[in-house]
Formats: sequence, C-alpha cells, structure tokens
Amino acid sequence: GESVGLHLPTLSVQEGDNSIINCAYSNSASDYFIWYKQESGKGPQFIIDIRSNMDKRQGQRVTVLLNKTVKHLSLQIAATQPGDSAVYFCAEADSSYKLIFGSGTRLLVRP
Amino acid sequence: EPEVTQTPSHQVTQMGQEVILRCVPISNHLYFYWYRQILGQKVEFLVSFYNNEISEKSEIFDDQFSVERPDGSNFTLKIRSTKLEDSAMYFCASTQGLGEKLFFGSGTQLSVL
Repeated sequence: GESVGLHLPTLSVQEGDNSIINCAYSNSASDYFIWYKQESGKGPQFIIDIRSNMDKRQGQRVTVLLNKTVKHLSLQIAATQPGDSAVYFCAEADSSYKLIFGSGTRLLVRP
Repeated sequence: EPEVTQTPSHQVTQMGQEVILRCVPISNHLYFYWYRQILGQKVEFLVSFYNNEISEKSEIFDDQFSVERPDGSNFTLKIRSTKLEDSAMYFCASTQGLGEKLFFGSGTQLSVL
C-alpha cells in the first residue's frame, strides 16, 4: 500500500548547524516528491520538490536527495536559522498528483 | 507571492449542522484541492477539482461532503451534517497545472461540538 513515514518526530539543532530530515516512502509508482514546512497556525508552505528522474535538487539553503533504490527522501537545510523552526512534511505523488503526506518532523533550532 | 485565502479561520458548529468552508484560490490556477489535518495527524487528501468537476476523491469524502465553484473565484467545501470526527483543520490548495507547485491556504479550524 501507499505510505510515507518519517524516522524522527523531533529534531533539535544548534543555530548555524546543518539539519537533515529524513523520510521513507513505499509506493514505487510515486514520481514526484515535495517537502513542505508548516508553522503554527499556517498552512503547508512549499519548500522544494524533486521528480523521480533526479536524485538531487538544490534550492536556497535547502537540498533534497532522493534515493529510489531504498525509497528514501531527505531534506538538508544549511546553516539552520531560528526561522527554520517548524514542522516539516514530506509528500509523494503519483501520476494523479494527489499528495500523500508523511507524519511530520518538528525541527527545533537552539540559539 | 500570491496566496490562497480561506475563510473563516475558525468555525465552531453543533453536531448535525451544515457548514460551508470557503476558499479563494490563486486567480490563474486551474486545479483545486481540499485536504484536512486532524490534530496530531497527517495532512490527508479529500478531493481534487478541475474543469468544474471532481477529479478524484478519497474515502473520507463521502456523501456528506460536496464541493462547488459557484463563480470564477470561490471554491467551497460543504459538510451537510457534521460529525464530531469532522473536527480538523481544513486546507484548500490550488495549482496552475498538474505537477506544478501546490499552494496551500492557512486553513479553517473546524470544531464540531
């Protein structure tokens, strides 16, 4: 069946350090993956996406890595800032682009 | 950056009452969605809508739910007879095309008493 899960429910990092948030997916038919950030009282905010024909994509301070062999997705945030504190969700989609979300990881940035 | 707007931000209703959640998608977007998030749980897909009809719906989206695009700007979710388990944050989302960036609104927190 389809499922997207996260290994760590809470990640605490020092300001300025790099953060890595991981996600596992099980639907081999998924070909589109997205990371969302959700701050308290707000809706999911798009961070970065990647398609299955790629294994790495970089944005501003963020990098998404896709390992299709082990069905693993990660989000790397460089030089983590207090404003990065939020819950991060991975999501996967197949050709219908219906998103299936993971359960979320809370990122806490220590000053 | 353009925004998806949702109203109200909070809605409290009695069990069995009808509620309508309202959304204004981004103006040039063509695909519209409703998702919901029960407290402490994952964001779940409810329904997708394109070209004035439902494209896909989940098992959650039963006969008590309906969606409508009554004019060129609004997209609504109606729950005819609310149940306690309908209490959740409901998110509207829109995108210009399939596989394009999906924008979410800030959500409507629905509390069914």
